[in-house]
Amino acid sequence: AQSVSQHNHHVILSEAASLELGCNYSYGGTVNLFWYVQYPGQHLQLLLKYFSGDPLVKGIKGFEAEFIKSKFSFNLRKPSVQWSDTAEYFCAVNAPPDYKLSFGAGTTVTVRA
Amino acid sequence: KAGVTQTPRYLIKTRGQQVTLSCSPISGHRSVSWYQQTPGQGLQFLFEYFSETQRNKGNFPGRFSGRQFSNSRSEMNVSTLELGDSALYLCASSLPREGGSSYEQYFGPGTRLTVT
Repeated sequence: AQSVSQHNHHVILSEAASLELGCNYSYGGTVNLFWYVQYPGQHLQLLLKYFSGDPLVKGIKGFEAEFIKSKFSFNLRKPSVQWSDTAEYFCAVNAPPDYKLSFGAGTTVTVRA
Repeated sequence: KAGVTQTPRYLIKTRGQQVTLSCSPISGHRSVSWYQQTPGQGLQFLFEYFSETQRNKGNFPGRFSGRQFSNSRSEMNVSTLELGDSALYLCASSLPREGGSSYEQYFGPGTRLTVT
């Protein structure tokens, strides 16, 4: 089974700062990669996904992620955060044959106005 | 298009009781997965159903079970509740995975279960 590591437990930023959240997974074969976000009081929402093709993936709300196969990483970035980006962010991975979705522990992002 | 719906949203049960949670997937989605979310263990996969059959199972005891109906709606059941079963139970639906493909999952708001 795959395991997913998110390096930062809690990140605190000021508005307009850049954000990068690390995600590493342990699986050597073909993987599908996802970032989900959980805003306070809301359900998990898909930010972006990678299945194949261009390793730089653009998602909603100005987020992007880069898949680096050699580093088993799928880091999430946003050039300029807003107060409304305060949320918990989860990296997730699945792979054949069973495609069970494995989640990282999550990173809480607090953006100060 | 309506999202994934889960009922009830909140539930309080006593140790030893059993509970049934319900999930209605997005229209057209035939795959339903269940997850348990706790502060200590994070998000953990429980099981996946497709065409009324359990396709995958996580590492949970047999007290946790589920089923899927012909309209793709799913239920999960937890018998003999323990304090440690207190959690947010999330349901997710996706398009059916066929062959070597996979699709993203869309999550419902969850059912918050408290066991006292």
